[in-house]
Amino acid sequence: DTAVSQTPKYLVTQMGNDKSIKCEQNLGHDTMYWYKQDSKKFLKIMFSYNNKELIINETVPNRFSPKSPDKAHLNLHINSLELGDSAVYFCASSLAGGTYYEQYFGPGTRLTVT
Amino acid sequence: GENVEQHPSTLSVQEGDSAVIKCTYSDSASNYFPWYKQELGKRPQLIIDIRSNVGEKKDQRIAVTLNKTAKHFSLHITETQPEDSAVYFCAAGRSTSYGKLTFGQGTILTVHP
Repeated sequence: DTAVSQTPKYLVTQMGNDKSIKCEQNLGHDTMYWYKQDSKKFLKIMFSYNNKELIINETVPNRFSPKSPDKAHLNLHINSLELGDSAVYFCASSLAGGTYYEQYFGPGTRLTVT
Repeated sequence: GENVEQHPSTLSVQEGDSAVIKCTYSDSASNYFPWYKQELGKRPQLIIDIRSNVGEKKDQRIAVTLNKTAKHFSLHITETQPEDSAVYFCAAGRSTSYGKLTFGQGTILTVHP
């Protein structure tokens, strides 16, 4: 039933570790996004894929690597985690074209790096 | 790049009052302005949007206005209810930018019963 889902919901890990977050949508959308929401609630886009092709790649450290195996899935892998990576990561999806901006968000993954 | 400023950062009203949140943007090519509501611990949800060819849009108790000349847009909530309490984000984007949205800093709205 869930339109956009993410796993895990919570992730607690130590500095230097590598971790992945997975996202899936069943809305039939062709565009998916990763956003980072920091402790001050600021939302910033990180990446976007359209039909498995990377179309938005903001200024993000190359420790962050997104992958889209198909248009319903978007994963985020983070290498060598740092304290500053602690945040809530949201996946979102939309349809390309006129409805690009009608984005549906997942429930978020709260990442805590200790 | 685009920069979106949102005010106020916090807003406290009594139930039944109106609430107004204002945003300004810097990129004159932006032509899509959505508003998202995020309840505590939940995901952001699109509540209303306005496009540059429209000056005002209304949906029940929520309305948005856009002034393209001044590059600002506002969210108006009338007859506020406690369940309107949340963080509200404005955002701006260009139709040519593949869905890239720049968000404002957010407004924490508290509606007191």
